[in-house]
Amino acid sequence: DVKVTQSSRYLVKRTGEKVFLECVQDMDHENMFWYRQDPGLGLRLIYFSYDVKMKEKGDIPEGYSVSREKKERFSLILESASTNQTSMYLCASTISRDDEQFFGPGTRLTVL
Amino acid sequence: GDSVTQMEGPVTLSEEAFLTINCTYTATGYPSLFWYVQYPGEGLQLLLKATKADDKGSNKGFEATYRKETTSFHLEKGSVQVSDSAVYFCGGGSARQLTFGSGTQLTVVP
Repeated sequence: DVKVTQSSRYLVKRTGEKVFLECVQDMDHENMFWYRQDPGLGLRLIYFSYDVKMKEKGDIPEGYSVSREKKERFSLILESASTNQTSMYLCASTISRDDEQFFGPGTRLTVL
Repeated sequence: GDSVTQMEGPVTLSEEAFLTINCTYTATGYPSLFWYVQYPGEGLQLLLKATKADDKGSNKGFEATYRKETTSFHLEKGSVQVSDSAVYFCGGGSARQLTFGSGTQLTVVP
């Protein structure tokens, strides 16, 4: 079974802090994605990566950056957390970009 | 760009009722289409998918048929159970990425 893990289920940070969200997949997938999920807005794509050291902006990249130093790991970085970044963050991976995505359990981030 | 429009929720049904959640898509070409389910406190899981026109995806009693002429992929189940209570997301795949609908919260009451 494909497994996608995220470093934390719940995280509480203060405004202005630098925040790292880690995602690891164990199926040698080329493509990895970061989404945020908010009530009434569904899933919105923040960034994705189709290869090591490659990244592309999604629909809402402002305030975020990413890092993909190894194929299995894709990190989302909030350089200076703000309260409007309080959300559920979901990581996903897939063999090809238009195929089924496998999701991690999510990290619920609260920024105070 | 590509878009997926999904029936707004929340939806509340009695056990054994018939379920339909509407989903339509707009895309260049013919994307693969998916339904995902999210149970409370968990990530999304693939429920079913269809990769071309007239394909029917099915799983756990749920079905959806890829209708090119109406650009739709409606989710149906003949008899829902309390355990089906969850959020359902429709998604469409292009060469670049998947696009998701806003999700439909389903609550099934005994």
